[in-house]
Parts: sequence; structure tokens; C-alpha cells
Amino acid sequence: AQTVTQSQPEMSVQEAETVTLSCTYDTSESDYYLFWYKQPPSRQMILVIRQEAYKQQNATENRFSVNFQKAAKSFSLKISDSQLGDAAMYFCAYRSSWMNNAGNMLTFGGGTRLMVKP
Amino acid sequence: DVKVTQSSRYLVKRTGEKVFLECVQDMDHENMFWYRQDPGLGLRLIYFSYDVKMKEKGDIPEGYSVSREKKERFSLILESASTNQTSMYLCASSFLGILEQYFGPGTRLTVT
Repeated sequence: AQTVTQSQPEMSVQEAETVTLSCTYDTSESDYYLFWYKQPPSRQMILVIRQEAYKQQNATENRFSVNFQKAAKSFSLKISDSQLGDAAMYFCAYRSSWMNNAGNMLTFGGGTRLMVKP
Repeated sequence: DVKVTQSSRYLVKRTGEKVFLECVQDMDHENMFWYRQDPGLGLRLIYFSYDVKMKEKGDIPEGYSVSREKKERFSLILESASTNQTSMYLCASSFLGILEQYFGPGTRLTVT
């Protein structure tokens, strides 16, 4: 079974600064997907960014980028120019590449609470 | 915009009660999911459904059952609520074969 670990329960960053959230995972599969989800205080979870394991290039979405190290099974999220609206719980998640029912399942890490200081 | 709604934001129930949590999505998604969210544990999958009347167990199905009689609606049932089922429950949905899951706002359930 896959496991996802987020070792930082809480992080804080000054507004306009850069912060990196860590995520490691364990899997025996060679092809899979990784995600970062954001859960603001209002609780509706939204997808921030995703990475396909077969792609060597790191995914980027505006101020959000990832550092995907497949050999190390590491998938960190970098937030540049942090804004007050970035304050939220962030969850790292893993999904198998299998296109069957089991492949629909996401495995989540424990989450990191990010605080942004004005 | 995809909309996933849950019947209640907050719910307080007594031990032994039967509890129904309902989720509705308006995007004709095949897949629907129920997760439980606890501090430090992240989200854990309870059950998911890939079609009407079809279901698969997730990581923690014990003490829960589900029902999907219509494509847009997925219910989570606690047959006899216990205090260790006090938690945040999140529903999600997605198209078959599409990676992104869309989440509802969550139901904070307290069992006393």
C-alpha cells in the first residue's frame, strides 16, 4: 500500500516571501500521479497542482511550483510571493496510474497548516 | 462551476443513533467518494462509488455503509454512531478516468 508523509504539521511565512512544503511518499509503482490540494478555512478543498510521474519537468501553476524527485520519492510545493489568501491546510496526495476502480483512490498525507504573516 | 453540496455543515448526534450524511453533485460525475478528515491523519477514504448501486471499500469502511440510488447522490450511513466517529466528513466527485476530484464543504459530525 502507498503511504504519503508530510513532516511539517505547521509552517509560517511572511507575506511576499517564498515557502516550501515537504511531502514524501512510498510506492512500488513506477507510474503514478501526485497532487497538492489546498483547504482554506472555509473547508472546500481545491486542487492546486498535479504532477505525472512519467514527466521529468516539474509542474508550475502561477506562483505554485513543485520539486519532484522521483528517485527520492519526494514532492515538495513551493509558493512564491506568498499572499494572505494562501493561508490554508495543504495536503499532498498520491494516485495510482491504474485506470481501474482502485486507481480512482487518492492517498493523502496528514497535511501542513500554512500561516501567512502580514 | 462544479458544485458538490453536503446536507449539513454541522451535526450533533447521540451514541447509538443512525446517522445519514448526504452528498449531491451537479456535474454528472460517475465517481463519488466519502472521506473522513482527522487532525494529523489527513483524509482517509471510507467508501467510493463508480456507478449507481456500485461501491468499493476504501481504507476505513468499518462502522459505515453507503448508498447510491441515483447518479448525483451518494449517502454515507452510520448504522450506530459511536464517539470515535466524531470527525469531519468530506464528499468528493470526479469523472471516470479524470484525475481531479471536486470536494464538498464538509460536515462536522459530533457524536456525544
